[in-house]
Amino acid sequence: GESVGLHLPTLSVQEGDNSIINCAYSNSASDYFIWYKQESGKGPQFIIDIRSNMDKRQGQRVTVLLNKTVKHLSLQIAATQPGDSAVYFCAEGTKTSYDKVIFGPGTSLSVIP
Amino acid sequence: GAVVSQHPSRVICKSGTSVKIECRSLDFQATTMFWYRQFPKQSLMLMATSNEGSKATYEQGVEKDKFLINHASLTLSTLTVTSAHPEDSSFYICSASWRGKADTQYFGPGTRLTVL
Repeated sequence: GESVGLHLPTLSVQEGDNSIINCAYSNSASDYFIWYKQESGKGPQFIIDIRSNMDKRQGQRVTVLLNKTVKHLSLQIAATQPGDSAVYFCAEGTKTSYDKVIFGPGTSLSVIP
Repeated sequence: GAVVSQHPSRVICKSGTSVKIECRSLDFQATTMFWYRQFPKQSLMLMATSNEGSKATYEQGVEKDKFLINHASLTLSTLTVTSAHPEDSSFYICSASWRGKADTQYFGPGTRLTVL
């Protein structure tokens, strides 16, 4: 079946810098994408989503970019703070299974004070 | 709004026993609930999808007789790990969505299961 990666990459950034977390997806039929944040020992927390008819969406301090040509998704966090330290997952869904999503491998973000 | 709770948050049991985990939507009616499993430093793997009043749909490779799922009401789903073994030790997370916004899942805090 489709998968979105096999390992957990890590990213370390200085407090105040911008962070960019990347995600590659494999299912070209996916048309809905979500970014989640998961802190240690907790459930995932919704950050932002984007549909395939868009290539950019902005939230508070976060921006998601979607490049359907290369099946790539990114999450940009502006002015990264220590509280942003967590594991970030991208997830994808399709029209045929709209409420079911597949999670990517995750990226561990560590913010250096 | 849209709060999902899980109980218990942590459970330790002996090998061979069964463990039940509850997932509740506290302030909305969950037409669909999902159960995930997560091993350390790995992603969430969907185990099954359950709709209220009907049988759960299990993902490939998930034993339905091992992981019993009941979604008897619009606010409660349970996952029972039957005859648990050490390899079942994991972090189990549920999520819930409602018909009016089917593409949004609200996640519970997870349950840490340790089988001795």
